[in-house]
Amino acid sequence: GEEVAQTPKHLVRGEGQKAKLYCAPIKGHSYVFWYQQVLKNEFKFLISFQNENVFDETGMPKERFSAKCLPNSPCSLEIQATKLEDSAVYFCASSPPHFVAKNIQYFGAGTRLSVL
Amino acid sequence: SQQGEEDPQALSIQEGENATMNCSYKTSINNLQWYRQNSGRGLVHLILIRSNEREKHSGRLRVTLDTSKKSSSLLITASRAADTASYFCATDISGNTPLVFGKGTRLSVIA
Repeated sequence: GEEVAQTPKHLVRGEGQKAKLYCAPIKGHSYVFWYQQVLKNEFKFLISFQNENVFDETGMPKERFSAKCLPNSPCSLEIQATKLEDSAVYFCASSPPHFVAKNIQYFGAGTRLSVL
Repeated sequence: SQQGEEDPQALSIQEGENATMNCSYKTSINNLQWYRQNSGRGLVHLILIRSNEREKHSGRLRVTLDTSKKSSSLLITASRAADTASYFCATDISGNTPLVFGKGTRLSVIA
């Protein structure tokens, strides 16, 4: 598609429950990025993929967080045993190969995760 | 860790006035970009300036970059109510690396 599609828009989980977020990048884009936005300002990078391979996972918490980008499927970000501090808006972004555009990233509308 | 800092944190102006937002960063960069975020939405790319460029224009937007001071400014001329949003600068160190965002400036344009 022509837009990055994130689902669901809003996800409510009780503490300790699992949360799974999905992202369909723009067709033809080979890079996918996940960011976490807390309190409407700070963006924290989590992980990026080049096609189905992990490209950079330096921002990914060591525990409870995992992500995948499998062929012919939306990318996913999964949080096991959610905690209150996981409440945030999670944004997915995709970008074309570097030779096409200079790291301009196209963002989805985000998934708001509320952990109660 | 966040490397960019925007100022001001919030800016309120009348329609038709110009709005200037500043961004500082800490390390060497490859590109600096400005993005806009409307309330409850994702980020929309506005303009990109490379580290070897000093000024760039796009419509009503003007971006400057001073690598010696590690700072950038975004000027929106003749602002409109529809420009009301949060504006973020974002830097990268090379292609397809994560963007490092500032904390953003909330711009309110009053009709």
